[in-house]
Amino acid sequence: QKEVEQDPGPLSVPEGAIVSLNCTYSNSAFQYFMWYRQYSRKGPELLMYTYSSGNKEDGRFTAQVDKSSKYISLFIRDSQPSDSATYLCAPSFGGSNYKLTFGKGTLLTVNP
Amino acid sequence: DVKVTQSSRYLVKRTGEKVFLECVQDMDHENMFWYRQDPGLGLRLIYFSYDVKMKEKGDIPEGYSVSREKKERFSLILESASTNQTSMYLCATRERGGSNEQFFGPGTRLTVL
Repeated sequence: QKEVEQDPGPLSVPEGAIVSLNCTYSNSAFQYFMWYRQYSRKGPELLMYTYSSGNKEDGRFTAQVDKSSKYISLFIRDSQPSDSATYLCAPSFGGSNYKLTFGKGTLLTVNP
Repeated sequence: DVKVTQSSRYLVKRTGEKVFLECVQDMDHENMFWYRQDPGLGLRLIYFSYDVKMKEKGDIPEGYSVSREKKERFSLILESASTNQTSMYLCATRERGGSNEQFFGPGTRLTVL
């Protein structure tokens, strides 16, 4: 079983739709759960992260972690064409182990 | 704002050439990373450095080496470039402690002919 599984898409939605992006992971020791956004021909940038289980909201974005099922979600409300990008989940360990394990990314297109 | 710069956006080299990819950061971060990104394979860690002159192999170090002589600069070296090293190369930095957030550079698209 791979450490992090992410549906690569592509996912195409109309403007204003609610988008759900998901990852599963296998290592129960992961403590930090990050979502990166990568625009075409750019490096990834951190969108948001959560520590342990629960929800975190930032504007139109909500990150959700369910450690019992090892499931990570990112919801985008009122999606905009500017949200069109590849989204990568990246769980990691805490403490001095700073390695990130990236999912392969989901390509999202929001159509005007 | 963290700034991570990479020496070239696009690079074309020939098989067998020695290739240097440079990464420079301006935020005094201790940790630096080199990844390659390929369609269908995602981001894969090649090497990382947790301090000056310190390095550790990542998941795919074969065919690569690194150098970190100064804190702000981390170089990736392809000793003898091969066509299967054609890829997008991304450098990242991380501050010791904190949330594990990594800050990425814009990437270098390397083509080996």
